[in-house]
Amino acid sequence: DAGVIQSPRHEVTEMGQEVTLRCKPISGHNSLFWYRQTMMRGLELLIYFNNNVPIDDSGMPEDRFSAKMPNASFSTLKIQPSEPRDSAVYFCASSLGGGQAETQYFGPGTRLLVL
Amino acid sequence: AQSVSQHNHHVILSEAASLELGCNYSYGGTVNLFWYVQYPGQHLQLLLKYFSGDPLVKGIKGFEAEFIKSKFSFNLRKPSVQWSDTAEYFCAVTTSGTYKYIFGTGTRLKVLA
Repeated sequence: DAGVIQSPRHEVTEMGQEVTLRCKPISGHNSLFWYRQTMMRGLELLIYFNNNVPIDDSGMPEDRFSAKMPNASFSTLKIQPSEPRDSAVYFCASSLGGGQAETQYFGPGTRLLVL
Repeated sequence: AQSVSQHNHHVILSEAASLELGCNYSYGGTVNLFWYVQYPGQHLQLLLKYFSGDPLVKGIKGFEAEFIKSKFSFNLRKPSVQWSDTAEYFCAVTTSGTYKYIFGTGTRLKVLA
């Protein structure tokens, strides 16, 4: 079975450019999570979708970040304009349900470098 | 606010040594506990989880963890590590009524061949 798929795997861009990260969750999973991993702050939850609806976006750092989930099999995380401090690894994860004991399955991540 | 502490940031062991990684959380109610592993350049994978029942949980690759409620701890153990266990290990907790994982800062384990 295919796991969570993310693209691109690596992205290098210049400050001020728009960056779009993509995620395809595991088929049948109804919960999707976007995380950011940095050395300084570890793993942070950015946003959580359930049944394609954003439930909690309190972790989104600022208005430059936006996320969408137009259907059950696709989500995007957009940064516009990008800044060097956005450099991080961005993970997408999905789970079968949104319950507290659910296992989250992580994608391979997108390593973003903003110059 | 809930938090998860992993006190060992870096651990270096020789092959065949025993491993114990600490994880403590701050929450007085019902919790669900997870250990994830991230091998170099790879994504996070679930090692094991606890949500009820036997507090000693066995996971993949010979790992186990024990939930000690009175100590708010969920330490990860392996009796004999291998070079291939070199990775970063993350403890996470969810609390009753929420899906949100609170992750610890991770422990980088290096196993010397």
